Amino acid sequence: ILNVEQSPQSLHVQEGDSTNFTCSFPSSNFYALHWYRWETAKSPEALFVMTLNGDEKKKGRISATLNTKEGYSYLYIKGSQPEDSATYLCAFNNAGNMLTFGGGTRLMVKP
Amino acid sequence: DAGVIQSPRHEVTEMGQEVTLRCKPISGHDYLFWYRQTMMRGLELLIYFNNNVPIDDSGMPEDRFSAKMPNASFSTLKIQPSEPRDSAVYFCASSAYRGKVNQPQHFGDGTRLSIL
Repeated sequence: ILNVEQSPQSLHVQEGDSTNFTCSFPSSNFYALHWYRWETAKSPEALFVMTLNGDEKKKGRISATLNTKEGYSYLYIKGSQPEDSATYLCAFNNAGNMLTFGGGTRLMVKP
Repeated sequence: DAGVIQSPRHEVTEMGQEVTLRCKPISGHDYLFWYRQTMMRGLELLIYFNNNVPIDDSGMPEDRFSAKMPNASFSTLKIQPSEPRDSAVYFCASSAYRGKVNQPQHFGDGTRLSIL
């Protein structure tokens, strides 16, 4: 069983605050690290797929970094908006195309 | 472009009944995944297919669960007989992997299953 941990489990921030959360994963047999955004009553949507140590990816106000040697990835949201409220999932790919998901970080942004 | 299509969106049935969940992946995608989401265990992989062939079914909870992919555009997940503990949201996802590890998975809207 692969251990993919996300912290914190939940997070409340004010509109305009910047925030970040963590995904930790095994540092061996690394293929890729995925981040997904999952709004309530919808399906998970892919944000980033990261494959190289030191990768940094950005989409609008959201960015992510990757450290495969120590087994962690950070997701950053700059200037949080209420529409950023969602659960953010990371998923570890260690073989072929199979993903092991973390438990998610539930973000709530208050207007 | 049409995304991954799942049906039904909601299913409520009595314990012991057979349940069939359906999925149409994105055209051209070579991988299809079935996931189950529960409060206790989060999102867990049940089984996945590559080019219609089941590759890993180690996540299927027990023999009551079975999945098929008769062609590239259709897959089913069947539970027979169903039990209340099978109540969950079941997601289907597909990806255009083709050996490239940087391909995301595309999820359907899920089927919310309630077994009474």
